[in-house]
Amino acid sequence: AQSVTQPDIHITVSEGASLELRCNYSYGATPYLFWYVQSPGQGLQLLLKYFSGDTLVQGIKGFEAEFKRSQSSFNLRKPSVHWSDAAEYFCAVGALRDDKIIFGKGTRLHILP
Amino acid sequence: DTAVSQTPKYLVTQMGNDKSIKCEQNLGHDTMYWYKQDSKKFLKIMFSYNNKELIINETVPNRFSPKSPDKAHLNLHINSLELGDSAVYFCASSQDRTGANVLTFGAGSRLTVL
Repeated sequence: AQSVTQPDIHITVSEGASLELRCNYSYGATPYLFWYVQSPGQGLQLLLKYFSGDTLVQGIKGFEAEFKRSQSSFNLRKPSVHWSDAAEYFCAVGALRDDKIIFGKGTRLHILP
Repeated sequence: DTAVSQTPKYLVTQMGNDKSIKCEQNLGHDTMYWYKQDSKKFLKIMFSYNNKELIINETVPNRFSPKSPDKAHLNLHINSLELGDSAVYFCASSQDRTGANVLTFGAGSRLTVL
């Protein structure tokens, strides 16, 4: 069955520290992978996407993610977080042959001053 | 100029009432969606339309009825509201119907059923 797992419900990091949010997927087709961010009271905004090619993709706001096919993972990273990065982060997966994108349950990121 | 706009942003209503949420996109996309986000932030797809044709209809009570008068609009009508319908409802759109597309989301409509 197709699924996306974000094993961490909450993560807390200090401002200026590095960040890694984990995402694992199970998908029968070639996956198209996404990370979205939801700030409080807002809709979801695309951070970055992976379709093919270079497995390290750059996104907005200084985020990057690395696709590792052997581990079925697409982890999100940022070298130095800012207080404004506090938000809910969603990993998602889709495919050309499917009509819908499946979302993980999200990871809430808290930033300590 | 908002790409995906939905109204109203907030609805507070009593159990048993009927309510509607409207969504419009100005991106020229062919496909529109309704997602429900519960209190734990879990996002669940409810419906999607591609060029006014219903293509996804997840296990949603019959009290929920989407309508797409044209490909730029997708409305959601909910009859006989129940407490469990309290959630944030997001409209989204994408270029076409495949799961390979980026979704553009509206800001959400928070429904509270008392």
